[in-house]
Amino acid sequence: ETGVTQSPTHLIKTRGQQVTLRCSSQSGHNTVSWYQQALGQGPQFIFQYYREEENGRGNFPPRFSGLQFPNYSSELNVNALELDDSALYLCASSREGGDTQYFGPGTRLTVL
Amino acid sequence: AQSVSQHNHHVILSEAASLELGCNYSYGGTVNLFWYVQYPGQHLQLLLKYFSGDPLVKGIKGFEAEFIKSKFSFNLRKPSVQWSDTAEYFCAVNAPGQNFVFGPGTRLSVLP
Repeated sequence: ETGVTQSPTHLIKTRGQQVTLRCSSQSGHNTVSWYQQALGQGPQFIFQYYREEENGRGNFPPRFSGLQFPNYSSELNVNALELDDSALYLCASSREGGDTQYFGPGTRLTVL
Repeated sequence: AQSVSQHNHHVILSEAASLELGCNYSYGGTVNLFWYVQYPGQHLQLLLKYFSGDPLVKGIKGFEAEFIKSKFSFNLRKPSVQWSDTAEYFCAVNAPGQNFVFGPGTRLSVLP
């Protein structure tokens, strides 16, 4: 049981819209990472949050942004949605130092 | 930059056959190594991990992996697969303090 939860489970948006995805980290974990997993591919690192600050970013444009709250939950925001943003978005939490990540079930985003 | 390759895109085995999934990474320094599994419709779960010490690590459900530093490899093995092992398997690497990099995944289909 990972303890990481994500909402919503599925989401359908149209091109140009904005979306917010949410993640609650596992108890005792203060680091949250977000990944994009396109169909048939491995997860691609978007960014990580630690103590409410961005702590590393992958090769994603600035329209992908995030927040971490004092209770260590996190949001991923994507502006100006594009068709290629259709994917499974995964949240993973870890303890300070981030040696092992535990994943949530993901949010399936479809952009039409 | 780190990268991870997985040798096979799709592996098909009969029950009781032995399994070996290849994983190679490119990074010259100290790394942590992981295998995650994604069963159909479920979230990514940690199978096993290697940080240091004995290069042969044992994980859940009878899986094991061997770290061969000279070959930059971390292959996953199981002596006898079951139909329930049907899933997508991902190798992942992170250098201490750095972000996770996942391989593209290997889909395993076990025929009953």
